[in-house]
Amino acid sequence: DAGITQSPRHKVTETGTPVTLRCHQTENHRYMYWYRQDPGHGLRLIHYSYGVKDTDKGEVSDGYSVSRSKTEDFLLTLESATSSQTSVYFCAIRGGLIYNEQFFGPGTRLTVL
Amino acid sequence: GENVEQHPSTLSVQEGDSAVIKCTYSDSASNYFPWYKQELGKRPQLIIDIRSNVGEKKDQRIAVTLNKTAKHFSLHITETQPEDSAVYFCAASTGTASKLTFGTGTRLQVTL
Repeated sequence: DAGITQSPRHKVTETGTPVTLRCHQTENHRYMYWYRQDPGHGLRLIHYSYGVKDTDKGEVSDGYSVSRSKTEDFLLTLESATSSQTSVYFCAIRGGLIYNEQFFGPGTRLTVL
Repeated sequence: GENVEQHPSTLSVQEGDSAVIKCTYSDSASNYFPWYKQELGKRPQLIIDIRSNVGEKKDQRIAVTLNKTAKHFSLHITETQPEDSAVYFCAASTGTASKLTFGTGTRLQVTL
């Protein structure tokens, strides 16, 4: 499973509260990604990182921020959670040397009430 | 940006039959096309991929074909088995960051 863990695995929170999800990898990969998965939409990229302190937006970045202060950790923050952010969040790393394969973490199920 | 369309959204086949899932993409600069299998409650798992300089790739019972001119690629599963039942996603990637744009998924059910 490419040494990727996510925490928490499940979270229920209320509208307006801040939430931080953590992705941790053990294999020193440079690229890390955050996706959200919703029925009918597949997986959509929120933000990605290409190194410590180097991040960029994906297609659905509004309402989310990220930080990467260490190679192994990539944090996703919802500054003020809304019900539309109820989703399953997957972290991924780019582990391939040739074809840039991405491997996913186990996911975090977030419910915003 | 890139747009990936995937069809069909659901597919039911009998065990032993073949299954084909098709995707189209919009960005001619896309150069990497992975396929993921996701079982209920699990993470997406990479099952096969293809780069734009290759027309076909095969791994045991699964194969992927790519038509760059038409901008479409397909997943073929032969001799389907009940354990092939899952949701399958295609994706397209472009650029140095390898950002993936996913299709909306195909739910494959293999019946006995």
